[in-house]
Amino acid sequence: KQEVTQIPAALSVPEGENLVLNCSFTDSAIYNLQWFRQDPGKGLTSLLLIQSSQREQTSGRLNASLDKSSGRSTLYIAASQPGDSATYLCAVGKLIFGQGTELSVKP
Amino acid sequence: KAGVTQTPRYLIKTRGQQVTLSCSPISGHRSVSWYQQTPGQGLQFLFEYFSETQRNKGNFPGRFSGRQFSNSRSEMNVSTLELGDSALYLCASSLRLNSNQPQHFGDGTRLSIL
Repeated sequence: KQEVTQIPAALSVPEGENLVLNCSFTDSAIYNLQWFRQDPGKGLTSLLLIQSSQREQTSGRLNASLDKSSGRSTLYIAASQPGDSATYLCAVGKLIFGQGTELSVKP
Repeated sequence: KAGVTQTPRYLIKTRGQQVTLSCSPISGHRSVSWYQQTPGQGLQFLFEYFSETQRNKGNFPGRFSGRQFSNSRSEMNVSTLELGDSALYLCASSLRLNSNQPQHFGDGTRLSIL
């Protein structure tokens, strides 16, 4: 049974720092992995989608990597800003989501 | 291009009642998935519809049901509501079943059971 874990559950950093969010999964036979952000009271916004055959995807200050053999994905955020404050979730396929990392970027 | 639209945004019901939630996917998207989000359990998959047929189902009781119409719009129904059904219900659409295109979410319906 696939399980997805995100560590840490919460993270607070000063503005301008580079940071890494982690996502691990137990079954390496995945179709794709998607990173989302969720603002309070809102739905999820898709950030990056990595196909199972890919190693990484980049969009602006965001870079997501995927290592299926070790069951890990990371989301790297460069030069963090207060507007990056949100909960970040990873999802394996459409079915299994992690519990999220709540990120707070302090001005 | 309009995003995923969910109605209503907020609902208050009492135990034992039933409720119907609606989701209009992005134009051209044919797959619609439903999720329940609670502080304790996080985001849990309910079911996925494609071409008016349920294709995947999560581990929820039969009180939770859904359907999809020919225009890809979807509804979710919960009967005999319980206090534990209080949650944010999210709908997501994508182009196809098992698509390698990203999922797009609506802002959800917040259901409160009194």
